[in-house]
Amino acid sequence: QVQLVESGGGVVQPGRSLRLSCAASRFTFSRYMMHWVRQAPGKGLEWVAVISYDGLNKYNADSVEGRFTISRDNSKNTLYLQMSSLRPDDTAVYFCARGGEYNTPDGFHVWGQGTEVTVSS
Amino acid sequence: SDELTQPPSVSVSPGQTARLTCSGDPLPKHYAYWYQQKPGQAPVLVIYKDSERPPGIPERFSGSSSGTTVTLTISGVQAEDEADYYCQSADPSGTSWMFGGGTQLTVL
Repeated sequence: QVQLVESGGGVVQPGRSLRLSCAASRFTFSRYMMHWVRQAPGKGLEWVAVISYDGLNKYNADSVEGRFTISRDNSKNTLYLQMSSLRPDDTAVYFCARGGEYNTPDGFHVWGQGTEVTVSS
Repeated sequence: SDELTQPPSVSVSPGQTARLTCSGDPLPKHYAYWYQQKPGQAPVLVIYKDSERPPGIPERFSGSSSGTTVTLTISGVQAEDEADYYCQSADPSGTSWMFGGGTQLTVL
């Protein structure tokens, strides 16, 4: 079945960097927009970033603008989130999610299980 | 404002109908989506494009839209429907997405 598997989470000190990965399988990854969504402990969902199916267009939430970079490698069926200048309020479970096909915005029909990031000294 | 507002909690008895609302300025300009999230699990899409139901989602889940408010209706609520529910929408170009704060549905 269609699957997304995140990895790369962990404990990191404030100000440091971390890269998350999301491996896609059993669907044509290169046809879909991809998103990152996070959820702080005990809080709601927060959209983080989106990348177009071809990787040419990227957009971030204001809360991570200038610090986080979304990217993808369609040859490896993998989505990435490079996080820098991490802050304690970036502590969350990070989910990758499949968006719409090509340039058509749509809901997030497929989600990974999430990877936990803790920013603490 | 690009915020979506949901009531923090709704309670219903088994077999009754639960109506969860979501309001915000983005809603007339872009579709609404609804997600169910149970503790420790990833969200699951239960309604897309205001009222469409993905494969595998029970028929008791339905969605509707009117102006700046969308509603998720769960008819004949079951104990397994107890979860957090989040609405979602986007700007017209799909370059900025937002979630509501979530509604905790309690089945009494």
